[in-house]
Amino acid sequence: GESVGLHLPTLSVQEGDNSIINCAYSNSASDYFIWYKQESGKGPQFIIDIRSNMDKRQGQRVTVLLNKTVKHLSLQIAATQPGDSAVYFCAENMGGGKLIFGQGTELSVKP
Amino acid sequence: DSGVTQTPKHLITATGQRVTLRCSPRSGDLSVYWYQQSLDQGLQFLIHYYNGEERAKGNILERFSAQQFPDLHSELNLSSLELGDSALYFCASSRVANQPQHFGDGTRLSIL
Repeated sequence: GESVGLHLPTLSVQEGDNSIINCAYSNSASDYFIWYKQESGKGPQFIIDIRSNMDKRQGQRVTVLLNKTVKHLSLQIAATQPGDSAVYFCAENMGGGKLIFGQGTELSVKP
Repeated sequence: DSGVTQTPKHLITATGQRVTLRCSPRSGDLSVYWYQQSLDQGLQFLIHYYNGEERAKGNILERFSAQQFPDLHSELNLSSLELGDSALYFCASSRVANQPQHFGDGTRLSIL
């Protein structure tokens, strides 16, 4: 369904630990997915994307996993740093450039 | 810096008024998108333009309209403003529709 931004789930991790942020998407026909990071006062910042013909993609310190069977995405951040503290959104491309965003997860990194 | 420029950063106005938000996409990007972010609805897609033509519409109110000009900049017009229109409005751009969208830092609209 459409994104409803209410109370954000929060993930609190220790600096240096790995973080895993999960997301369920709605449309089994979606073929393109993106993770964004949003810091306070800023717009969403592109982190990594994945297309439906892949189940894993790696970037610098980040990995996205896609499980189409259960319509689930995850973002893994290695060696989490204080600068990673932000709200993270997954988004699915519904066609025509229309992105449907998840509600977001707030990541808090403790030094 | 995403390369997407939005002006103004803040806008305060009253109910019933009309405002125009402006967006300059990244150099070379032909697609421009508008989104609304509010506390109760999250990030919502409004509309997509590609090279001057409307390509997709979301739950955009009839009081809202947009256009993309020949130089590829875009404007979002909001009229007959209501208190509930208070939100952050983001513009994003991409080369084509099925590529990463890059967002500006938004316009914060406050209706008094």
